[in-house]
Amino acid sequence: DAKTTQPTSMDCAEGRAANLPCNHSTISGNEYVYWYRQIHSQGPQYIIHGLKNNETNEMASLIITEDRKSSTLILPHATLRDTAVYYCIVRDGGATNKLIFGTGTLLAVQP
Amino acid sequence: SAVISQKPSRDICQRGTSLTIQCQVDSQVTMMFWYRQQPGQSLTLIATANQGSEATYESGFVIDKFPISRPNLTFSTLTVSNMSPEDSSIYLCSVRHLLNRETQYFGPGTRLLVL
Repeated sequence: DAKTTQPTSMDCAEGRAANLPCNHSTISGNEYVYWYRQIHSQGPQYIIHGLKNNETNEMASLIITEDRKSSTLILPHATLRDTAVYYCIVRDGGATNKLIFGTGTLLAVQP
Repeated sequence: SAVISQKPSRDICQRGTSLTIQCQVDSQVTMMFWYRQQPGQSLTLIATANQGSEATYESGFVIDKFPISRPNLTFSTLTVSNMSPEDSSIYLCSVRHLLNRETQYFGPGTRLLVL
């Protein structure tokens, strides 16, 4: 079973920030939070990951709560090309651990 | 990042036949995986392709149906055997890089339709 819970779908206006929530209440101390997205008809694309601290890269920011039981992916200025299914995944940091996908959130960016 | 190519990109096959999908990476990677994505569904891990040894299959997937090879650090194949319409899916190759084991990358997928 997936270790994360995400809303099935969300809408966001173009140019506005998109905030995608994820609950992972059973996360353990050595597990990272990963975010991927899948644009229609393409393979999943890595976005960002974190363990405890908030992270930011050129694509997005990841905010992890202090108790690590939930996180939020922030796309600061959503564009139409950000319309995709966004997957929040919890994975052990070990080299052999597997990436297991849940159902994700379909983000629809509206013009 | 790793650049991953898959062949074929798509195919239409008759039931009872087999199809071999190739995955080529532009650099040496430590781990290679095969996923399946059925229509309208999320990704499901089929197996981990191990270099020089038998693949490690997830629950519900068996070697006779999905034989996998990985002869070196940059190449793997997945065969879908004795196909039925239920095998119609997107099959995706995924890798973890030798130098960046925390991040996993995905190929573009192979779209398979079985009639």
